[in-house]
Amino acid sequence: SAVISQKPSRDICQRGTSLTIQCQVDSQVTMMFWYRQQPGQSLTLIATANQGSEATYESGFVIDKFPISRPNLTFSTLTVSNMSPEDSSIYLCSGKTGGGYTFGSGTRLTVV
Amino acid sequence: SQQGEEDPQALSIQEGENATMNCSYKTSINNLQWYRQNSGRGLVHLILIRSNEREKHSGRLRVTLDTSKKSSSLLITASRAADTASYFCATDAFQAGTALIFGKGTTLSVSS
Repeated sequence: SAVISQKPSRDICQRGTSLTIQCQVDSQVTMMFWYRQQPGQSLTLIATANQGSEATYESGFVIDKFPISRPNLTFSTLTVSNMSPEDSSIYLCSGKTGGGYTFGSGTRLTVV
Repeated sequence: SQQGEEDPQALSIQEGENATMNCSYKTSINNLQWYRQNSGRGLVHLILIRSNEREKHSGRLRVTLDTSKKSSSLLITASRAADTASYFCATDAFQAGTALIFGKGTTLSVSS
């Protein structure tokens, strides 16, 4: 199955700034997904990212706050914009292949 | 969005005991998967059960699926301290290109 390299693994950011998280897949994947995991909670889907088209966002998530890029079939980025302490979470990317789903190791974001 | 509830939310047992976690979901599925997440770490895929299967085993894990009740259970037999983690069910819908949707999870604590 595919392997996803996600970075950074963790970061501490000032409120009002933005952070871009990158996911690199070692093979082509048609669908990529971004999740948020708030402290002590489960994974919540933020958006689905297809190559060459705008991401599809779930209810409660908007493009201005979480812009996503998907320039090719092996790479995607999620930006957390204008951060506030409420954005402190783990962010995970996932890719869907014929063999199933694979996940990045997550980015632990703390906003101070 | 999240599929549904998992119960219990938290479970504390002694080493050697069995642990049973339940998961309910709302929509039709292609398969249901269970994941483990150690504190602050990435997701580990445990087992997948397809919608036409009723029971599946993998080592000390036993998963059941009841599509009529839209529910699944994960049994861990002869638990070990190393099984201490959060466990999540995740459903894969029939539609192509859809993400895994996670349940709320059960936090398992196994004491020696």
